[in-house]
Amino acid sequence: DVKVTQSSRYLVKRTGEKVFLECVQDMDHENMFWYRQDPGLGLRLIYFSYDVKMKEKGDIPEGYSVSREKKERFSLILESASTNQTSMYLCASSSPGTSNQPQHFGDGTRLSIL
Amino acid sequence: GDSVTQMEGPVTLSEEAFLTINCTYTATGYPSLFWYVQYPGEGLQLLLKATKADDKGSNKGFEATYRKETTSFHLEKGSVQVSDSAVYFCALPYSGGSNYKLTFGKGTLLTVNP
Repeated sequence: DVKVTQSSRYLVKRTGEKVFLECVQDMDHENMFWYRQDPGLGLRLIYFSYDVKMKEKGDIPEGYSVSREKKERFSLILESASTNQTSMYLCASSSPGTSNQPQHFGDGTRLSIL
Repeated sequence: GDSVTQMEGPVTLSEEAFLTINCTYTATGYPSLFWYVQYPGEGLQLLLKATKADDKGSNKGFEATYRKETTSFHLEKGSVQVSDSAVYFCALPYSGGSNYKLTFGKGTLLTVNP
């Protein structure tokens, strides 16, 4: 089974801090994704990476950056955390290729910015 | 662009009731279609998928049929259990170059009472 592991289930940070969310997958997937999930808005894609050191902006990249130095690890960085970034953050991975490749998700990090 | 519209709920049912959660899509071509489930406090898990028209995906008593003529992929279960209480997401792959991302419906919260 694919395992996607997010480093923290719950995280509390202060406004203005630099915040790192880590995600590791064990299936050698090329593609990795970061989403945020908010009530009434569903899942929104923040960033996407299709290879080491390669990244692409999603629908809501403002205020975020990402790092992919190794294939199995994809980090989401909040450069200067703000209260409107309080949310559930979900990481996912998938194989490339055809549209029938599903994404596999971690358990999420619930981030609170005070 | 490609999009998914799903019934938003919430849906509240008694145990052993019949469940339908509607999902319709707009897409270029004939992509695969997915249903994901999110149990309380967890990430998303793939529930079932269908890869072409008239395909029926099934898992854990849930079924969904890929209907090209009505552009629908409704989720059904004949007899729900309390343990089925979760949020359900319909998802559609869309192509970003050689890689696919997913667009999700807003999610439907299902509560099953004993």
